[in-house]
Amino acid sequence: EAQVTQNPRYLITVTGKKLTVTCSQNMNHEYMSWYRQDPGLGLRQIYYSMNVEVTDKGDVPEGYKVSRKEKRNFPLILESPSPNQTSLYFCASSLYQNTGELFFGEGSRLTVL
Amino acid sequence: KNEVEQSPQNLTAQEGEFITINCSYSVGISALHWLQQHPGGGIVSLFMLSSGKKKHGRLIATINIQEKHSSLHITASHPRDSAVYICAVVWGAQKLVFGQGTRLTINP
Repeated sequence: EAQVTQNPRYLITVTGKKLTVTCSQNMNHEYMSWYRQDPGLGLRQIYYSMNVEVTDKGDVPEGYKVSRKEKRNFPLILESPSPNQTSLYFCASSLYQNTGELFFGEGSRLTVL
Repeated sequence: KNEVEQSPQNLTAQEGEFITINCSYSVGISALHWLQQHPGGGIVSLFMLSSGKKKHGRLIATINIQEKHSSLHITASHPRDSAVYICAVVWGAQKLVFGQGTRLTINP
């Protein structure tokens, strides 16, 4: 089954404790991206990747890192989480860039205390 | 100011009604997505448009590139259509900017 898998789905952590949210797709997609969704602000793009070893910033990259060492995986790293990173995070993939159908993961709800 | 505007923000209708959700954007785009988000959070892609019109079942999406406007229509609406509908525009090949979403409630 074609899918984008995110882990963890739910996480409560404390300020400053490094964490990684994993994202994996099984469709051999070139394009992967991360978004956060906040009440009143909607969805905003954090980072995206056009292919292996090719990543770039979206609208709200501060406080986040990403890597794309393999085509299927695109982890989101919070080196030193802060409460303003409490949010619902989505990973998505697409065959080519942003102009193909987007496949979203189920979301990861992160709370930073 | 959000560069992608959706209207209405909230819409309540009776089962069977014809539904229209609008999306306007401020600059030229390469494509536009319509997404559906059910309570519980999962997001599903409904359409990707770069011109014209697409139809899938009871859903129809249109885009007018010159007027910078897209519409999502639902015919014969049903309570299971209740969800948040989000438009997202593609600028260049990479940047994706989302509207604030339209919360649709269909009453039986």
